[in-house]
Amino acid sequence: NAGVTQTPKFRVLKTGQSMTLLCAQDMNHEYMYWYRQDPGMGLRLIHYSVGEGTTAKGEVPDGYNVSRLKKQNFLLGLESAAPSQTSVYFCASSWRTRANNEQFFGPGTRLTVL
Amino acid sequence: SQKIEQNSEALNIQEGKTATLTCNYTNYSPAYLQWYRQDPGRGPVFLLLIRENEKEKRKERLKVTFDTTLKQSLFHITASQPADSATYLCALPGDTGGFKTIFGAGTRLFVKA
Repeated sequence: NAGVTQTPKFRVLKTGQSMTLLCAQDMNHEYMYWYRQDPGMGLRLIHYSVGEGTTAKGEVPDGYNVSRLKKQNFLLGLESAAPSQTSVYFCASSWRTRANNEQFFGPGTRLTVL
Repeated sequence: SQKIEQNSEALNIQEGKTATLTCNYTNYSPAYLQWYRQDPGRGPVFLLLIRENEKEKRKERLKVTFDTTLKQSLFHITASQPADSATYLCALPGDTGGFKTIFGAGTRLFVKA
């Protein structure tokens, strides 16, 4: 099993450009998440999904959109990138109910917006 | 809102010693607390979960305590090794549902040989 994979691994954008980050998981998890991680700050939840076809806003959703058309995929879109969106983005997934509520993370996407 | 505090200063210890990391939280009474490990350039990896009715939990060289009165968890690595060098994140369930998690900023641990 590949676990959680993310593409691309690195990306440089100019202000105003758009892009989509792709997350895929092969563990049949119901829940999926997008986080951003900035220096000195904890992981902050951008959007999440509790099932195929459903999404919800997290702590810092502005400037991002998401879609979950298939259970195994969760896409994060930036419609008009801004320098403040320079960050490392992590996707994670988890089962709906498990004793330890463990989240499985992807390797991250390092995004720089110039 | 909930707040998690971890020591932002890196912890440097000698190989073989016990490393102790602290996680404090406020405005919250979580049902459980988690610890994750994050290596540079990688995503976090789950290590342990401790529930509010558990005072202590162990896994190999790891030991976690949970004091709901002090609102604090301590994470210990005994007989530390250079391979234990990483950032350790404390995490709590969000108050709106168990599937949302709030993470601390983490404490960087360096174990010197």
